[in-house]
Amino acid sequence: DTEVTQTPKHLVMGMTNKKSLKCEQHMGHRAMYWYKQKAKKPPELMFVYSYEKLSINESVPSRFSPECPNSSLLNLHLHALQPEDSALYLCASSQPGRALDGELFFGEGSRLTVL
Amino acid sequence: GENVEQHPSTLSVQEGDSAVIKCTYSDSASNYFPWYKQELGKRPQLIIDIRSNVGEKKDQRIAVTLNKTAKHFSLHITETQPEDSAVYFCAAGDNYGQNFVFGPGTRLSVLP
Repeated sequence: DTEVTQTPKHLVMGMTNKKSLKCEQHMGHRAMYWYKQKAKKPPELMFVYSYEKLSINESVPSRFSPECPNSSLLNLHLHALQPEDSALYLCASSQPGRALDGELFFGEGSRLTVL
Repeated sequence: GENVEQHPSTLSVQEGDSAVIKCTYSDSASNYFPWYKQELGKRPQLIIDIRSNVGEKKDQRIAVTLNKTAKHFSLHITETQPEDSAVYFCAAGDNYGQNFVFGPGTRLSVLP
């Protein structure tokens, strides 16, 4: 299984809502990532979890809250978002700490619209 | 931090011609340089990568070259096909691939 699965595929939420994005992989990867991608732009790194511990937080606003319940799951909790947070949110995984395994496996993304 | 530039931003070629996309990076500590292809509405997928101990790598119609002294690397696609049409992102980062920076992307169109 070389899949990273993200749910939901589409999400529309108001600025006062609380919602979560979910990501799952069964490749045994121990690093998982959240990226944000706006239209016609490259993916921007938000968070990295390595061995279930948050290792990188790219100064993301606190209205985005990541969680890694176990080595296969990654969540992104959303609260009080702004319209400018509308984007494609990509989850990815990789095998950390091994020089030959830098490849990121991306999910299909969750397209978020904030009204 | 790392800064990656990529040129051109758009590229149109005739089917069968070659395409070249160039990237430069700023951090001399970067030693891992992947290239990702993203088709419209799809996820980015790795197509080739190169590490700093190698100057060139080839995989069928795709090749990547790296000049560490000049801090630039390039993607070469030969005998282009319509299915090569996509956005291509270069990236640069550390050897463990946990924190690498993407270039702004090149939209390649292969015209039949």
